[in-house]
Formats: sequence, structure tokens, C-alpha cells
Amino acid sequence: EVQLVQSGAEVKKPGESLKISCKGSGYSFNNYWIGWVRQMPGKGLEWMGIVYPGDSDPRYSPSFQGHITISADKSISTAHLQWRSVRASDTAKYYCARLYGSGPLNAMDVWGQGTTVTVSS
Amino acid sequence: DIQMTQSPSTLSASVGDRVTITCRASQSISNYLAWYQQKPGKAPKLLIYKASSLESGVPSRFSGSGSGTEFTLTISSLQPDDFASYYCQQYKSYSQTFGQGTKVEIK
Repeated sequence: EVQLVQSGAEVKKPGESLKISCKGSGYSFNNYWIGWVRQMPGKGLEWMGIVYPGDSDPRYSPSFQGHITISADKSISTAHLQWRSVRASDTAKYYCARLYGSGPLNAMDVWGQGTTVTVSS
Repeated sequence: DIQMTQSPSTLSASVGDRVTITCRASQSISNYLAWYQQKPGKAPKLLIYKASSLESGVPSRFSGSGSGTEFTLTISSLQPDDFASYYCQQYKSYSQTFGQGTKVEIK
């Protein structure tokens, strides 16, 4: 079964660093781009960026560039989303998802279960 | 960024109704458009890709159409399981974007 399993919920204070993960299984992880999507409480979906696990090549939405880092470790079939310094406005649920075809211009066909991040002093 | 505008934001309908949701792109995206369904607390689910291709396992009452800047998602006969939120997404550019969503509620 093709699946993406994300790391558990996180509670952080403003200014702390954070790294969440997304582990793929059931398919050739190296060959499919992985994307990250934010959903703030009660709001819609926001596309954050993507990474190609084969060479850890990331692309970012201008809205998130400079505040997040997206990476992948193909040796453990895992993608990561990280912040050097979180802020209260990062409170949200974060989803990873596989892009279904070759190349970065594709829809997202397999989704992780989501990771809830709460940032509060 | 390419902006995606969905309408309506909320839609009230009854079981058996034909439902149409519209998505407009701020510039041409050819057929690089997907539709997703999301239920509360759950991950989105891909319904349609390439504007009109039905994802495997998705009921045939769902259909997509359009190209360029105007697209529609149609549910031919609304079922109880279809009450959810729906999002369009363009993937024509390297910075992809979602529409703001349409919530389909029970009338």
C-alpha cells in the first residue's frame, strides 16, 4: 500500500526551532516529488513548496520562502519541513503529499494524515 | 503567483441535486487543474486531475471540465457522503496555488 506517515503533533514556544517529517512507503520514494500544504485553523489549503527526494531539490511558494526549509533524505524515504524560529502564526495543520507523476507540475494523489503544530507562549 | 478564485464559497444542496462549483484562474493554466475533497479533520482527497481525468476509485458522479482560465466540478447526483469542502488547485507553475474552497452543506 502506498502511504505517507507523518510525525506527531508538536507544541512549541515562539522562537523555537521545529522539524516535522513525512515517511513514504509502498513505492519508489526517490522518484516522486513530495509537497507540503498548510491549513490554518478553520481556513483553506495553502501550497508551501515541494522537494524531489532524488536530489533534495526544493521549490518554494513566495509566501513561505525564507521562513521554512524543505528537504528529503532518500536513504530513509523521509521528507522534512523545518523552521529555525516558529511564530504564533505558524499554528496550523501541515500535510505532506506525493505528486502523482514525474516532474514537479503534477497534482497530489497520496496524502499524509497531517501534523498539528501549535505555537504558544 | 497565479490566483485561483472559486465560487460559491458555500453551497446548500439536497441529496440528489446536481451541483456545480466554478474555479477561475488569473491567467491561462491550460488543463493543469486538480480538484480535491476534504472532510473535517481529514486529509484532502484527489478527485480530478488534468481538469477532467477522474482519479482511480472516485465515483463517476464526479466530473470536471474546462481549460484555460475557467473550470467546473460537477456532482451529478449529490450523495450523503459528498457533504464536504472542495478545492481547486493549479499546477501549471512551479508555485502552485489552491482556490479558497467551497463548502457543500445540507439544505
